[in-house]
Amino acid sequence: DAGVTQSPTHLIKTRGQQVTLRCSPISGHKSVSWYQQVLGQGPQFIFQYYEKEERGRGNFPDRFSARQFPNYSSELNVNALLLGDSALYLCASSFRTSLNEQYFGPGTRLTVT
Amino acid sequence: QQQVKQSPQSLIVQKGGISIINCAYENTAFDYFPWYQQFPGKGPALLIAIRPDVSEKKEGRFTISFNKSAKQFSLHIMDSQPGDSATYFCAAVNSGNTPLVFGKGTRLSVIA
Repeated sequence: DAGVTQSPTHLIKTRGQQVTLRCSPISGHKSVSWYQQVLGQGPQFIFQYYEKEERGRGNFPDRFSARQFPNYSSELNVNALLLGDSALYLCASSFRTSLNEQYFGPGTRLTVT
Repeated sequence: QQQVKQSPQSLIVQKGGISIINCAYENTAFDYFPWYQQFPGKGPALLIAIRPDVSEKKEGRFTISFNKSAKQFSLHIMDSQPGDSATYFCAAVNSGNTPLVFGKGTRLSVIA
C-alpha cells in the first residue's frame, strides 16, 4: 500500500513569491494535517483538514492557507514568502479526526532565497 | 511555550547498549504519547505509542515507560544497533483534537 505522498520533493523560491505544496493521503484516510519542520526542531502544526473542512489551525500567519479536495488530497499555499519560511513541510494523514496515529509523508523541502 | 520537553539533545551509544530518551509534559489533558523516528531526508515514522492508563509498553526492542504523576515518559531502545541511528521525537496529543505537540528531538548515534 502506498503511504502518504508529497510533491514536489524540493523547491527553491525567492522572497515574495507564492508556493503550492501537494499531498495525497493514505488510501482510506480522510484527515490531512500539515506541519512545518525547521532544521533541528520538531514539526510544528499548521492545519488539519477532515472531510474538506478545516478542523484546526496552528499559530501561523494568514499567508498560510490550505484546502482539501473531494478525493482527500490537500494543498498548502504560502504567499509572500519570507526567508524564515524555509523548512521541511510535512503532510500527515489519519483515518479519523483524531490526531492519534498520524502517518507522515517524506516532506517537501522549501528553500526561500 | 514548549509543552513537551525532550532530553538529551544528542546521544551516542555503543552497539548493543541501551538508548534512553526522556520527555516531560505540562498539559494534563494529553492522553496519547507517540514516539517518532526520523531518518535524514525522510518524514517522521510512528514508532510506538502509549496511553496514560498503562505504565509501560513494549514492542520488540522499543519500550515506553510512563510516569503519570511525574508527567514524564521515556523511550528505551534495547540492544541498540547502528541502523537505529536517527532523530527521535516524542509527542503528545489530547484526543479531543488538539494538535500533536512535538519535543525538539534527540539525535541518536549508535557506534560499533
